[in-house]
Amino acid sequence: DSGVTQTPKHLITATGQRVTLRCSPRSGDLSVYWYQQSLDQGLQFLIQYYNGEERAKGNILERFSAQQFPDLHSELNLSSLELGDSALYFCASSVGTGGTYEQYFGPGTRLTVT
Amino acid sequence: GNSVTQMEGPVTLSEEAFLTINCTYTATGYPSLFWYVQYPGEGLQLLLKATKADDKGSNKGFEATYRKETTSFHLEKGSVQVSDSAVYFCALSGGSGGYNKLIFGAGTRLAVHP
Repeated sequence: DSGVTQTPKHLITATGQRVTLRCSPRSGDLSVYWYQQSLDQGLQFLIQYYNGEERAKGNILERFSAQQFPDLHSELNLSSLELGDSALYFCASSVGTGGTYEQYFGPGTRLTVT
Repeated sequence: GNSVTQMEGPVTLSEEAFLTINCTYTATGYPSLFWYVQYPGEGLQLLLKATKADDKGSNKGFEATYRKETTSFHLEKGSVQVSDSAVYFCALSGGSGGYNKLIFGAGTRLAVHP
């Protein structure tokens, strides 16, 4: 158990809908990262927050947005969903920001868009 | 940009065999290197890391050495067990761009048979 929690574990929704994925980092970790894992794209970095502020952005679509709240939990919002958005979405956390810090991953949310 | 290349799987071994999974990287500056493992239906677990040239990361019998001259970080284990069956991901972060995201290889599936 990494200490990172994600809810829900599974989500099934229809095209065009909007969903929210939630992540709680390990106690004491200030950085939260979101990654997408799909069969065709592999593991891709989406976005990072550090202590409530956006710190880095990756291959995140404009239909997707995220935020980190004062209690450090984070939410990833996916809207106007398409079939191609079906994937595993992972949250990770680390103590600080910077390449040497280890990132600890949650169990993931499996999103299925039908 | 930075990238990671892993040997393609699946790798199929008998129990107690020697394991090598090759990983090479392209990066500017001095990135940190990681191996993560993903067991079926689970999130990614950090297996080991190295943050500078010639560092050796080790954990649970697995080892990898950061080789800057060959830009490699190969994963090895002297005697694999059935319980090691999983997908292994090589990753890097940091470097001259100062980016915090993890860049992953495509993953290598390992299957160990009794």
